[in-house]
Amino acid sequence: NAGVTQTPKFRVLKTGQSMTLLCAQDMNHEYMYWYRQDPGMGLRLIHYSVGEGTTAKGEVPDGYNVSRLKKQNFLLGLESAAPSQTSVYFCASSYLPGPNSPLHFGNGTRLTVT
Amino acid sequence: QQQVKQSPQSLIVQKGGISIINCAYENTAFDYFPWYQQFPGKGPALLIAIRPDVSEKKEGRFTISFNKSAKQFSLHIMDSQPGDSATYFCAAPGFQKLVFGTGTRLLVSP
Repeated sequence: NAGVTQTPKFRVLKTGQSMTLLCAQDMNHEYMYWYRQDPGMGLRLIHYSVGEGTTAKGEVPDGYNVSRLKKQNFLLGLESAAPSQTSVYFCASSYLPGPNSPLHFGNGTRLTVT
Repeated sequence: QQQVKQSPQSLIVQKGGISIINCAYENTAFDYFPWYQQFPGKGPALLIAIRPDVSEKKEGRFTISFNKSAKQFSLHIMDSQPGDSATYFCAAPGFQKLVFGTGTRLLVSP
């Protein structure tokens, strides 16, 4: 049972480049989330999904897009990377809605934008 | 909009001592307050959680104390061990999501 798997683990981008981060979960969870973690800022929610085909904005959605075409996958896209998007990105999933249920996190993607 | 204030930002405790991390929240319509533990290079993992129909929950050396009237809750780690060295996040329920504190980096010295 792999849980939540994120790919890639590391990536370096140049300003203006694009990329997609992939999150896959094998727990049949309905709810999925993308967070970014920055020093002194904790975990901030970027986007989330309450089910296949649905997405919603979190606290810091600007510069990111997401898609949930399959229940087990949640993609995070950066169309034109900026140095401010240098961060560690975590995907999470939960069986019940986030406010009332444990989150299962992946091990993160460390992104550097130069 | 839920906000969660966590303190201290960092903490150094001697082996065998008690580690205490505090959090305060603004408001909530839900009843689920978890703590997450994160080791370097890993994602956060659920450590312990409380539903505030009780004022305290204990699991091994880890205890959550909850003060609903003050909107505060804290994590106590008894007999702290070097293996407890990690970053700890509290969280409080917001609209459709958990809102996390800014984290506390705990170092337990041997």
